[in-house]
Amino acid sequence: QVQLQESGPGLVKPSETLSLTCTVSGASVSNDYWSWIRQPAGGGLEWIGRIYTSSETTNYNRSLRNRVTMSVDTSKNQFSLKLSSVTAADTAVYHCARLVNRIMFDYWGPGTLVTVSS
Amino acid sequence: QSALTQPPSASGSPGQSVTISCTGTSSDVGAYDFVSWYQHHPRKAPKLVISEVTKRPSGVPDRFSGSKSGNTASLTVSGLQAEDEADYYCLSYAGSNNFYVFGTGTKVTVL
Repeated sequence: QVQLQESGPGLVKPSETLSLTCTVSGASVSNDYWSWIRQPAGGGLEWIGRIYTSSETTNYNRSLRNRVTMSVDTSKNQFSLKLSSVTAADTAVYHCARLVNRIMFDYWGPGTLVTVSS
Repeated sequence: QSALTQPPSASGSPGQSVTISCTGTSSDVGAYDFVSWYQHHPRKAPKLVISEVTKRPSGVPDRFSGSKSGNTASLTVSGLQAEDEADYYCLSYAGSNNFYVFGTGTKVTVL
């Protein structure tokens, strides 16, 4: 059974960088597409970006492109998200997910709440 | 890229059916047969219930079905059960510029 688990600080100060890690079990992160998706309180889901782990090719949501970096650590079977210059608008539950056939997400993590506040 | 439009809520009694619409544009829903649907119970991982407009992943009950006409996709849950009460989101592939667009979400209540 494939399982994903997000981890990272639950509180980040404005203007600082949000850093999250997704640990994958039951599957290898290698040679696959993985994504980050977020959901603000009371809001809908927003795709943040994807990484193709074999080449570390990344694609990001145009609205976040200038602030997002995704990376992978195959030795730990993890991939990560960094979002810089955060504001209160970045407060959300952040999910990691596996992207299948580049068109849908078949496994998700339960999400982790990140609050941006001083 | 704007979110796909879903009704905020839908409801039905146990055993009844509920249909949720997901309206996009000719650049996303209308352009590709790559619409998927996700069931999301609070504080849990979202679950894929329909892929590629009509396909049910293994383990998903056949009470869940999907369709598409033009720029609008739909999810129907037949024979509603208490455990179907959840938020439902559609997702469409939107090409190599915008990639993935989610719907606004629909809260399904089983009366």
